[in-house]
Amino acid sequence: ILNVEQSPQSLHVQEGDSTNFTCSFPSSNFYALHWYRWETAKSPEALFVMTLNGDEKKKGRISATLNTKEGYSYLYIKGSQPEDSATYLCARVGSQGNLIFGKGTKLSVKP
Amino acid sequence: DAEITQSPRHKITETGRQVTLACHQTWNHNNMFWYRQDLGHGLRLIHYSYGVHDTNKGEVSDGYSVSRSNTEDLPLTLESAASSQTSVYFCASREDMNTEAFFGQGTRLTVV
Repeated sequence: ILNVEQSPQSLHVQEGDSTNFTCSFPSSNFYALHWYRWETAKSPEALFVMTLNGDEKKKGRISATLNTKEGYSYLYIKGSQPEDSATYLCARVGSQGNLIFGKGTKLSVKP
Repeated sequence: DAEITQSPRHKITETGRQVTLACHQTWNHNNMFWYRQDLGHGLRLIHYSYGVHDTNKGEVSDGYSVSRSNTEDLPLTLESAASSQTSVYFCASREDMNTEAFFGQGTRLTVV
């Protein structure tokens, strides 16, 4: 994997469902992985910055895990709410320190 | 409160004109970035800077330039605007490699 890949591209769930999505990235030369939440008509906002293999981070109902050896991170949302509807972006830190983004997973939560 | 602001928020320009989009941050961050957002592509890096007088090309730098004369500002210039540069542009800044990035509100540019 040369770049950051996210799956699925989009997801529709019912309120109360728990969900998760995947971010895959090159496992070599790992520096850090970022997750952002991007609501329509707003700017991306950081959820997590993860640097160590095995990292698990949590913010309310949202949590993320990191596996740098196999090159993936999972984002979990427990008990989805309509206000969780957004595009979730992950980004790896490149060798130049720049952020390389995936195309995102668009989550829609129906009441 | 510290912030990052972009101006203008919306701009329509004609093909061939020079356009400059402003980005100003008050966090005193050394690292600043410009991205463009297009359907099917997500956020793609145009240029970035790690400090005053430092500029670097990103993935899609052709037709764009930046300058960094102070810590707070990283203006993005389209030398001769093309219709392919119609997009939403986001500026971002962060303290270092292991910290989160803060994004501006975006500038929607239309080249006609």
